[in-house]
Amino acid sequence: GENVEQHPSTLSVQEGDSAVIKCTYSDSASNYFPWYKQELGKRPQLIIDIRSNVGEKKDQRIAVTLNKTAKHFSLHITETQPEDSAVYFCAAPPEGTYKYIFGTGTRLKVLA
Amino acid sequence: EAQVTQNPRYLITVTGKKLTVTCSQNMNHEYMSWYRQDPGLGLRQIYYSMNVEVTDKGDVPEGYKVSRKEKRNFPLILESPSPNQTSLYFCASSLSGGPLGEQYFGPGTRLTVT
Repeated sequence: GENVEQHPSTLSVQEGDSAVIKCTYSDSASNYFPWYKQELGKRPQLIIDIRSNVGEKKDQRIAVTLNKTAKHFSLHITETQPEDSAVYFCAAPPEGTYKYIFGTGTRLKVLA
Repeated sequence: EAQVTQNPRYLITVTGKKLTVTCSQNMNHEYMSWYRQDPGLGLRQIYYSMNVEVTDKGDVPEGYKVSRKEKRNFPLILESPSPNQTSLYFCASSLSGGPLGEQYFGPGTRLTVT
């Protein structure tokens, strides 16, 4: 079946450094790739998404890149701040279904 | 205020005692979904609904039931809860196009089955 692999499971960075989280998906027809952020004790919230007709999308310090050939996409956070500490989830809904498949999450810790 | 609500937020119950977790959205969204979140396993989809009276299984549907009689409500039913259903549950909704759009999550329901 379809699956989404996410790495790393935990990531610690110094404040001001960059963080990169990578997801690999199995359904080559997937064409929508969102990223959600879940702060401690809170609900997941969408922070950025990309569709397969573009290779990169940026929103201030956050960017997502997509490599459809290799079937992977990545979240890039630059100039990390303590408030970036959270769990991040990627997703890659399989084309032609209404399922929603998330990666297993990455716990990002930004060290002051 | 546009929102997804869930009740109860916390629930401790015993094995075999039927329970229902309610989910309601006021955004006129067509797509609604239930997830469970467990450490190391991420968010796993239990059931989803594309519209009223249209539901389908996600990746982990065993032991759960759902119904969608009204557009705004999507209750999750555990007819005979077991300890392995102890988890954090989230309801979510999105406007249309199924999963190809932002999912708005409820605040979560922490369920403990003893």
